[in-house]
Amino acid sequence: QLQLRESGPGLLKASETLSLTCTVSGGSISSNAYSWAWIRRPPGKGLEWIGSIFYSGDTHDTASLRSRLTISADPSKNQFSLTLTSVTAADTAVYYCARTYYDTVIGLPYGMDVWGQGTTVTVSS
Amino acid sequence: QSVLTQPPSVSAAPGQKVTISCSGSSSTIGSNYVSWYQHLPETAPRLLIYDNNRRPSGIPDRFSGSKSGTSATLGITGLQTGDEADYYCGTWDKSLNIWVFGGGTKLTVL
Repeated sequence: QLQLRESGPGLLKASETLSLTCTVSGGSISSNAYSWAWIRRPPGKGLEWIGSIFYSGDTHDTASLRSRLTISADPSKNQFSLTLTSVTAADTAVYYCARTYYDTVIGLPYGMDVWGQGTTVTVSS
Repeated sequence: QSVLTQPPSVSAAPGQKVTISCSGSSSTIGSNYVSWYQHLPETAPRLLIYDNNRRPSGIPDRFSGSKSGTSATLGITGLQTGDEADYYCGTWDKSLNIWVFGGGTKLTVL
């Protein structure tokens, strides 16, 4: 059974760099049927998609974070990672990693079928 | 403001039925698959519906999904207190090449 687990620091100061890793077990990240996503939920707000990485290494990400964001993958460790520079209090959130399942015939995502439990990140000023 | 529009809240009594709407555009719902997620406090979001109307294994048939044009709907029948949660629709935006979520709907089972 596929499982995802997020890891990283829970507390940061403003202007520091956030680095999170998602470790995938029970399956490989090297498949064209899936992409691997980061999503966050700030306190009192809804889910916000941050970005995704495909087995090819191609990434997609949200415009509002693009200048500060890097998403990468290490297939040898079956992990993918998020790096967000110059964090502020607005980046305080629970961060989730998730697998996105694709219709490989037409190349469209069906949905996010497996999620990690989430990790809380707090940015202090 | 979300690209996908959901009502902020809905409520119904135990045993009743509720529907949650999700309105998008031709570049989002109109040309992509819609999925729905349940998010309970302190837990991971759970996929309820994918491919507009298909349920993953383990999701009860009390949950259903439909799509028409640029809108989608989640239906929940036989409401239980354990269904109280935030519900989100999601899809791909073909014009921006990004994933989008609705703003979320809080379900209260009175």
